[in-house]
Amino acid sequence: QKEVEQDPGPLSVPEGAIVSLNCTYSNSAFQYFMWYRQYSRKGPELLMYTYSSGNKEDGRFTAQVDKSSKYISLFIRDSQPSDSATYLCAMSSFNFNKFYFGSGTKLNVKP
Amino acid sequence: DAGVTQSPTHLIKTRGQQVTLRCSPKSGHDTVSWYQQALGQGPQFIFQYYEEEERQRGNFPDRFSGHQFPNYSSELNVNALWLGDSALYLCASSLAGLAGGGTDTQYFGPGTRLTVL
Repeated sequence: QKEVEQDPGPLSVPEGAIVSLNCTYSNSAFQYFMWYRQYSRKGPELLMYTYSSGNKEDGRFTAQVDKSSKYISLFIRDSQPSDSATYLCAMSSFNFNKFYFGSGTKLNVKP
Repeated sequence: DAGVTQSPTHLIKTRGQQVTLRCSPKSGHDTVSWYQQALGQGPQFIFQYYEEEERQRGNFPDRFSGHQFPNYSSELNVNALWLGDSALYLCASSLAGLAGGGTDTQYFGPGTRLTVL
């Protein structure tokens, strides 16, 4: 069983839609949860970073963590064509020594 | 504020050769981690360097080795290249806290795309 599971998609939505991206994990030691955006053939760009359970909002992006269910989500409101990219979830224990990544979900926002 | 930089951008090698990739961390960061990302996959952790020592290692063979310099920059070396080593190699930097534990998340460079023929 992989440490982190993520639906690879692809996910195709019309412009303006609300997008929901999800990851599940198995290791209860994970404390920090990240979402990265990666454009084709580029390095991952940090979008959101949360600690433990709860919600965090930043503009059109909202990250949710449910540690009891070992489930994290990223919501994108009013999606734009420029949001088309691969979204990677990542997790680490308290000391950030090692990150575990999902396989990424490819998102396409159609104009 | 300079972010994480990596060189070269692209590299083509043949089987059996050796390669060295380089990374300069984000200003103020002292910890460097290396990842391998195969096409269509998420990044896989190779190892992490702090205070010029390898602090943690993923499931990669000894053909993968690294080094960190006093200025916190780092190199990744891969010996005896084979076709399966073709991937995007990512460097990420972060700031270690007390006793080397991290205080912040990791920021990635643009990557080096290695092709092994």
